[in-house]
Formats: sequence, structure tokens, C-alpha cells
Amino acid sequence: DTAVSQTPKYLVTQMGNDKSIKCEQNLGHDTMYWYKQDSKKFLKIMFSYNNKELIINETVPNRFSPKSPDKAHLNLHINSLELGDSAVYFCASSQGWTGGLNTIYFGEGSWLTVV
Amino acid sequence: GNSVTQMEGPVTLSEEAFLTINCTYTATGYPSLFWYVQYPGEGLQLLLKATKADDKGSNKGFEATYRKETTSFHLEKGSVQVSDSAVYFCALSALPLGTSYGKLTFGQGTILTVHP
Repeated sequence: DTAVSQTPKYLVTQMGNDKSIKCEQNLGHDTMYWYKQDSKKFLKIMFSYNNKELIINETVPNRFSPKSPDKAHLNLHINSLELGDSAVYFCASSQGWTGGLNTIYFGEGSWLTVV
Repeated sequence: GNSVTQMEGPVTLSEEAFLTINCTYTATGYPSLFWYVQYPGEGLQLLLKATKADDKGSNKGFEATYRKETTSFHLEKGSVQVSDSAVYFCALSALPLGTSYGKLTFGQGTILTVHP
């Protein structure tokens, strides 16, 4: 049973296209996240949702729009893709958002390549 | 703001060698500290954590001690195996001032390669 699952795992697309990455967690957690890992392996948070409410938005371009239809799902839609959007995108979840005591569980990542 | 600095890699070791990956942090308040591991082609997995000063986190032979006086959380393993080859991330979680939510701040990652 996969705790945090995201699809697709690999995505190659052309500049200017719009694409979505889906994420689902079956852990019963109330908080979900999107992280971006660049080509140098650097990881940075993009968004966090708690019970479908946006609580962290790290000055990500507004071409990126997260959507949480329920607390078990957090999808990421990207408009007008640019070369610099090529990265690995990780979905994650935790129970609560106070960090520290609440372990964050990560999905396996979605490798996005923009050509 | 909060930050995490890891020793630069890549680190290459022979099997059964001793491993240390240094990690230091800057944070306001009292952060919790973590080590995550990313095996090739996979997502991140929590390796160990410590939530207060002098706590020692341990898992799979890896250990790290939360040292508040030196703001460090160095990862160690006495005898590495080829299967330990991965990218290791140090991270901290703290509540930013004036907020009630926390987030993970990661170091830049250290690539470890272990040869037979």
C-alpha cells in the first residue's frame, strides 16, 4: 500500500503547455505539501494545505496552482510551462502542520522535463 | 530565517568505512532536526529525527545527536554498505515567529557513494 502516491512519475512536455500532477495520500493526514527539487538536488517547499486550506505559499509563480478537492488529495497544475520548470516535484503529507513532532511522508516524485 | 548547511559532497567510501556527514543549522526558537535519505530514483524517506537538545536519533545503524551548543546534527554510521549509497538531506522544522505552522527547511544534500 503506497502511503503518498503521485502521478505521473515521468512527464516530458513542450514549452508553453499546461500540465497537472496528481497526489493522493491514504494516511488520513490533514496536511499536504508540494516540494520542488532542482537539478542540483536542492529541495524547497512550494505549497502547503491543511484541511483543504492553503497555509504556505512560498512565492511560487502564479503559473503554479495547487488544488485540494479534499484533504486526501493535492494536485498541482502548471500553466505555460517553461524550461526552468524542469525538476522533480514531490508531494508529501503529515498529520498537523506544526512540523517537528509530525513526520512528513513523501511520495516518490514526479520527474518533469520541459523541452 | 532558518537555514541548514551540509558538508559538500560527493562523499565516496569503501564498504565498512566510517561515515560522517556534517550538518549545522541556524534557526530561531527550538527546531526539530531530521535526516532524510533519497535512494536512486526514489522519493525521500525519513531516516531519523531528534526533537530536543541532546536527543539522539538512530535508525538502520545511523545516528545523529542534536547539539544545541554547536547547532549541529551530524550523521554517523560505523560501517557503511554499498546499499547505503544515496543522497542524504539534513533538515529542520521550526515554527516561524508569528505563525502557527511549521515547514521543513532542507540542506543542499550530500551524495554518498559506497564501493565494494
